Amino acid sequence: SQTIHQWPATLVQPVGSPLSLECTVEGTSNPNLYWYRQAAGRGLQLLFYSVGIGQISSEVPQNLSASRPQDRQFILSSKKLLLSDSGFYLCAWSPGTSGRPEQYFGPGTRLTVT
Amino acid sequence: AQSVTQLGSHVSVSEGALVLLRCNYSSSVPPYLFWYVQYPNQGLQLLLKYTSAATLVKGINGFEAEFKKSETSFHLTKPSAHMSDAAEYFCAVSLSSGGSYIPTFGRGTSLIVHP
Repeated sequence: SQTIHQWPATLVQPVGSPLSLECTVEGTSNPNLYWYRQAAGRGLQLLFYSVGIGQISSEVPQNLSASRPQDRQFILSSKKLLLSDSGFYLCAWSPGTSGRPEQYFGPGTRLTVT
Repeated sequence: AQSVTQLGSHVSVSEGALVLLRCNYSSSVPPYLFWYVQYPNQGLQLLLKYTSAATLVKGINGFEAEFKKSETSFHLTKPSAHMSDAAEYFCAVSLSSGGSYIPTFGRGTSLIVHP
């Protein structure tokens, strides 16, 4: 079976500090990978998605970047955090070539920028 | 272009009562439709999906949803609410984009279950 991991689970960082969140998927190959942000009381905002190694599509220009160094690894980064970067960050995957459209989500990372 | 509207940011029901969460979509072609559930401080979990097969879709935890093309709706129902159903529910629509699927999520509906 497939599993998706995210770490850390929680993070408190000062404004201006760097950020690195990691997401890995097990039990599948060539997944599509996604990063979402969920602000308090709001829906999901798609930040980035990737259909393969080194292929990143950005949905919202902002203070964040993403990378996919390996097939099942997706990293969300920032060089200098802003207060507005606080939120719940979710990674998700979907089957890349099977034609199945559903997504499977990780447990999330709660980021608080102080 | 695709969009999703979830009517009601909060729905409150008594335990044992019918649950009805509303979702309307807009899509230029027949879409894939989903309901996800999110418990506090957790990721989203797929409840059910519509992928152009049967219009009445059964999911986990006793939930079901009916695809009505004429009404562009995909409402989520459960005959009898349990306390454990209290959570945030998201409707999503997805279309193919170059072989991958990029979903659009609604803003979510918080289900409150009273004893």
